[in-house]
Amino acid sequence: GAVVSQHPSWVICKSGTSVKIECRSLDFQATTMFWYRQFPKQSLMLMATSNEGSKATYEQGVEKDKFLINHASLTLSTLTVTSAHPEDSSFYICSASPGGASGSYNEQFFGPGTRLTVL
Amino acid sequence: DAKTTQPPSMDCAEGRAANLPCNHSTISGNEYVYWYRQIHSQGPQYIIHGLKNNETNEMASLIITEDRKSSTLILPHATLRDTAVYYCIVRVGRSSNYKLTFGKGTLLTVNP
Repeated sequence: GAVVSQHPSWVICKSGTSVKIECRSLDFQATTMFWYRQFPKQSLMLMATSNEGSKATYEQGVEKDKFLINHASLTLSTLTVTSAHPEDSSFYICSASPGGASGSYNEQFFGPGTRLTVL
Repeated sequence: DAKTTQPPSMDCAEGRAANLPCNHSTISGNEYVYWYRQIHSQGPQYIIHGLKNNETNEMASLIITEDRKSSTLILPHATLRDTAVYYCIVRVGRSSNYKLTFGKGTLLTVNP
């Protein structure tokens, strides 16, 4: 199946700093990428949907100025957590969907996740 | 998208079939049933999806009732590595733009 990678797999940062997480589709072009957040013992919550070359669509309650998403190419999307605080500590997961003629079912393929800890 | 109801947890003996139920009584005609699973501290993994007919792949079988109000995911010979949270999701269409809404899922524990 299609492979999605995330980097880094885990990161620890100080409060007030910014952290960038990368999501890459390794063997397909992703017209759409999704960013999720998962707190301990909870389900995945969608944060935003990004389409290559256009602005991301954020879910209600997600601050777009705090969680900056860039989907500059068909294989890379980045999530930047700006001025991170301890309450932003979470498991961040991206997914990518092939879309178009190359996607047989357009299901989402998920990355392995990035564990962010803000001290 | 229609909501789904799943039991919070289930146990299964290794080597036996695991049957995971899902209720989606408000599903509409153009909504598909998708199953994903998430092993602890990993990203979700796609398992299978269907619209009306039963489906089978190398991982599992999906049985959808005739009225489409419920479905069952079947892992024919569960192994310890199948221990995970299983999510049943209904989603409109197959477009890449359609988001997935995750519920709480079912924690399947496969016991030796």
